[in-house]
Amino acid sequence: GENVEQHPSTLSVQEGDSAVIKCTYSDSASNYFPWYKQELGKGPQLIIDIRSNVGEKKDQRIAVTLNKTAKHFSLHITETQPEDSAVYFCAASIGGSQGNLIFGKGTKLSVKP
Amino acid sequence: KAGVTQTPRYLIKTRGQQVTLSCSPISGHRSVSWYQQTPGQGLQFLFEYFSETQRNKGNFPGRFSGRQFSNSRSEMNVSTLELGDSALYLCASSLAVSSNYGYTFGSGTRLTVV
Repeated sequence: GENVEQHPSTLSVQEGDSAVIKCTYSDSASNYFPWYKQELGKGPQLIIDIRSNVGEKKDQRIAVTLNKTAKHFSLHITETQPEDSAVYFCAASIGGSQGNLIFGKGTKLSVKP
Repeated sequence: KAGVTQTPRYLIKTRGQQVTLSCSPISGHRSVSWYQQTPGQGLQFLFEYFSETQRNKGNFPGRFSGRQFSNSRSEMNVSTLELGDSALYLCASSLAVSSNYGYTFGSGTRLTVV
């Protein structure tokens, strides 16, 4: 069945460093790739997304890249801050439906002051 | 504007009982999806609704059901609860099935089955 692999499962960086999280997906029909940040006790928060007709998207310190051929997409966070500490999830749409997402297992990011 | 509202926030039920969870989407949003989140399985898709119609269903047993009302509010029901149904149930809404704004999640309902 469809699958999304996410690496690494934990990531620890110093404040100011960059963080990169990578995902691969299996469904060739996937065309929407959101990234969510989840803090303790809260629901996932959409931080950035990318569609299959775009190779890269940037929003301030956050960027996402997509390689459709290799079925890879990555999240890049620059100039990390302690408040970036959270669990990050990548996801891919199933069958072209944005409301039907398959999620990676998550990456726990810790930013040390 | 108000976000996605899920009620109740916490729920404790006994095995064999049934439970109904409620989700009020962001005003104007017509598409609602439900997910189950557990430490072992992560986030798993349950259902997707748009204009009162179920568009997609995840790989869950028939004990899990849902519906959407004309005002876009949605409910999900789990019958004959099992211990393994203990999880955080998340609802997410969007303007449409495919929009430029993605899906916004609520804070979830934490269900504990004892």
